[in-house]
Amino acid sequence: SQTIHQWPATLVQPVGSPLSLECTVEGTSNPNLYWYRQAAGRGLQLLFYSVGIGQISSEVPQNLSASRPQDRQFILSSKKLLLSDSGFYLCAWSVQRSGQETQYFGPGTRLLVL
Amino acid sequence: GNSVTQMEGPVTLSEEAFLTINCTYTATGYPSLFWYVQYPGEGLQLLLKATKADDKGSNKGFEATYRKETTSFHLEKGSVQVSDSAVYFCALYFGNEKLTFGTGTRLTIIP
Repeated sequence: SQTIHQWPATLVQPVGSPLSLECTVEGTSNPNLYWYRQAAGRGLQLLFYSVGIGQISSEVPQNLSASRPQDRQFILSSKKLLLSDSGFYLCAWSVQRSGQETQYFGPGTRLLVL
Repeated sequence: GNSVTQMEGPVTLSEEAFLTINCTYTATGYPSLFWYVQYPGEGLQLLLKATKADDKGSNKGFEATYRKETTSFHLEKGSVQVSDSAVYFCALYFGNEKLTFGTGTRLTIIP
């Protein structure tokens, strides 16, 4: 069966520090991968999605970037964190172009920037 | 573009009450529709889905029917439990590899 992992689970970082959040998927090949952010009390905002290695689409211009160095690995990064980057970051995957549009979410990383 | 409008929360109900969370959508065509649930401190889980008009998705006592004529996909449950307390998201998919989510509705069930 497929599983999705995210780490760390919780992170407290100072403003201006770098960020690296990692997401990996097991049990499937060539998935679509997604990064979402959920700010406190708000809905989900799609940040990036990827349909293959090295292929990243950015939904919102911002302080963050994403990379997909391997088929089942998706990394969210920042060179300098802002206070507004605080939130709950969710990674998700879906089967590519199969008509199976369901997305499966990881447990999330809670980021607090101070 | 595609969009999803959800009932504003928070919603507070007593245990065993009837639940309805409204969801309407705007799309150029016939999307697939989903309800996701987020329990406290966790990621999202798929609750149910429907892929064509008049389909009914159901799971864990929750139901939602894809209504093309009213562009709606309202979530219902006949008798809620304390364990149903969570945030519920309506979403649509329209063939572009991306889900469009509503803003979420926080549900609290009081014993």
